[in-house]
Amino acid sequence: DTGVSQDPRHKITKRGQNVTFRCDPISEHNRLYWYRQTLGQGPEFLTYFQNEAQLEKSRLLSDRFSAERPKGSFSTLEIQRTEQGDSAMYLCASSLATGNQETQYFGPGTRLLVL
Amino acid sequence: SQQGEEDPQALSIQEGENATMNCSYKTSINNLQWYRQNSGRGLVHLILIRSNEREKHSGRLRVTLDTSKKSSSLLITASRAADTASYFCATISNFGNEKLTFGTGTRLTIIP
Repeated sequence: DTGVSQDPRHKITKRGQNVTFRCDPISEHNRLYWYRQTLGQGPEFLTYFQNEAQLEKSRLLSDRFSAERPKGSFSTLEIQRTEQGDSAMYLCASSLATGNQETQYFGPGTRLLVL
Repeated sequence: SQQGEEDPQALSIQEGENATMNCSYKTSINNLQWYRQNSGRGLVHLILIRSNEREKHSGRLRVTLDTSKKSSSLLITASRAADTASYFCATISNFGNEKLTFGTGTRLTIIP
């Protein structure tokens, strides 16, 4: 499968624990995006990378959230001291920047439940 | 924050009928895209329409864009049970960033 992959697909954790999610984009794509989706809503942008540079962060991304893309390939999203409000689907997408109208391809998502 | 609203929030039709979903957005856009999401899964890109285009077709899909009204519609013709999913419109703005801003989605159910 040469699409975007995410790991794990599901994560249940207790409030206060740290969690880390991984995203592997389509191999030739230089842009990588993180979105969060809560039940019944559309996805909301969190942050994006071009190669290894993090170019934009949403105000939704509190200090407890950190994302990295150290070698310009896979990315990790870490949430520290999780709260029940962090429960959501975390979606990763990638694209090849050939202008400003490229398609973003989404992974299957990581569903997080904070107890 | 969400870009805007989609209408209706939910739609149920008989297999074989056409389904129309509408999307409104708030800001000036570079392009508008439609995505499908099956229950609890990732999003699948369906079609992209640029701000200087008014209509676009792809298979059984027809998308229109009216930038003066800041609205778009997605028509699925000859619906099939496999079209049951949530449909989202998403925009990329003209302000130099590349993030997608999604609507609230339409939940489409095709009754066999």
